[in-house]
Amino acid sequence: DAGITQSPRHKVTETGTPVTLRCHQTENHRYMYWYRQDPGHGLRLIHYSYGVKDTDKGEVSDGYSVSRSKTEDFLLTLESATSSQTSVYFCAAQAGTDNSPLHFGNGTRLTVT
Amino acid sequence: ILNVEQSPQSLHVQEGDSTNFTCSFPSSNFYALHWYRWETAKSPEALFVMTLNGDEKKKGRISATLNTKEGYSYLYIKGSQPEDSATYLCVIRAFQKLVFGTGTRLLVSP
Repeated sequence: DAGITQSPRHKVTETGTPVTLRCHQTENHRYMYWYRQDPGHGLRLIHYSYGVKDTDKGEVSDGYSVSRSKTEDFLLTLESATSSQTSVYFCAAQAGTDNSPLHFGNGTRLTVT
Repeated sequence: ILNVEQSPQSLHVQEGDSTNFTCSFPSSNFYALHWYRWETAKSPEALFVMTLNGDEKKKGRISATLNTKEGYSYLYIKGSQPEDSATYLCVIRAFQKLVFGTGTRLLVSP
């Protein structure tokens, strides 16, 4: 296990409030990812990082921003939460070579009311 | 657009049955294929990562094969057990991206 910890595990927030989800890894993996899981869509990539301060958008990045100031931490921020962002969010880390697997955190269930 | 297709979408078998699923993908610019096991209310867990045509991997009763020339991988489960019930995800690394299939949901009844 690559020691991926997500916090918080559950959060309920109101529409319009900012929310930050944290992903912490202990294995010094280069790549980190944020996904959201929604019924009928599987896992969709929000943003990813290929190194400290190097991030890029995924397929569903609107309304989200990320930061990676340290190798071990990848933060996902919803600047102004909307009900459509109610979802389960998964963080993953990967060593970076083609044959290295993704290691997932346990997920954060976010509800925007 | 890179499309990763998994079939069947869902499968219900009896304990002891052997089963297999398919992951299909475009064969161009292929770098690696991952299989993950995803139990309900948990996070996906890596089963195999395969990169070479003809690769075969095995982990207990679960095995996988890879054909990069024709663009498919098979995942086999021998003698399914109720604890094998999960969604099995295929992920392709191509064009510098990871693309997820929608998974095959397996239910094994005792």
